Amino acid sequence: KAGVTQTPRYLIKTRGQQVTLSCSPISGHRSVSWYQQTPGQGLQFLFEYFSETQRNKGNFPGRFSGRQFSNSRSEMNVSTLELGDSALYLCASSLEREQFFGPGTRLTVL
Amino acid sequence: LAKTTQPISMDSYEGQEVNITCSHNNIATNDYITWYQQFPSQGPRFIIQGYKTKVTNEVASLFIPADRKSSTLSLPRVSLSDTAVYYCLVGDLRNYGQNFVFGPGTRLSVLP
Repeated sequence: KAGVTQTPRYLIKTRGQQVTLSCSPISGHRSVSWYQQTPGQGLQFLFEYFSETQRNKGNFPGRFSGRQFSNSRSEMNVSTLELGDSALYLCASSLEREQFFGPGTRLTVL
Repeated sequence: LAKTTQPISMDSYEGQEVNITCSHNNIATNDYITWYQQFPSQGPRFIIQGYKTKVTNEVASLFIPADRKSSTLSLPRVSLSDTAVYYCLVGDLRNYGQNFVFGPGTRLSVLP
């Protein structure tokens, strides 16, 4: 069974731009969560989607948004990028009690 | 959400058994304990999960005492490739409105 996939793996943007990251969960998993990981703040929860509805939300500004499609694939969007948004963005899909992470998208904001 | 406390770092030598303990005094009845391993610039990898007593799989064992206020991840005969950050999480993914909070984890360094 294929794992969680994320695209793109690497991305370079400049301040003020916006970016969209994509995540394909493990087949059959309906819950998708997004996390941001930086050296200073560690792994921080962004939001979680279940059956196309946002079920949980972390403490991030409104520039960070997401959505989930009927096939459970999810996208995350960050608008008006700031230097501090440079991070590894991780997607995780869940079934019952187990959560599996993708390889992440490394976003660099210049 | 149950808050967890782990040692920030640990050192070990190849071939030794490593035990990493996590404290979670506020664990709820429906909470499970899950451990992840993370290498630099990669997503966390699921290692093991348990509810009580002992769980063992091909890579690790998880010991949970009767009061469930702590748990110990045991890695038998570590190798250099086990150098990573290990996270302990407590919660129940099945509950709507639940999300996991990652602490700083334990940075394990395996020395030759």
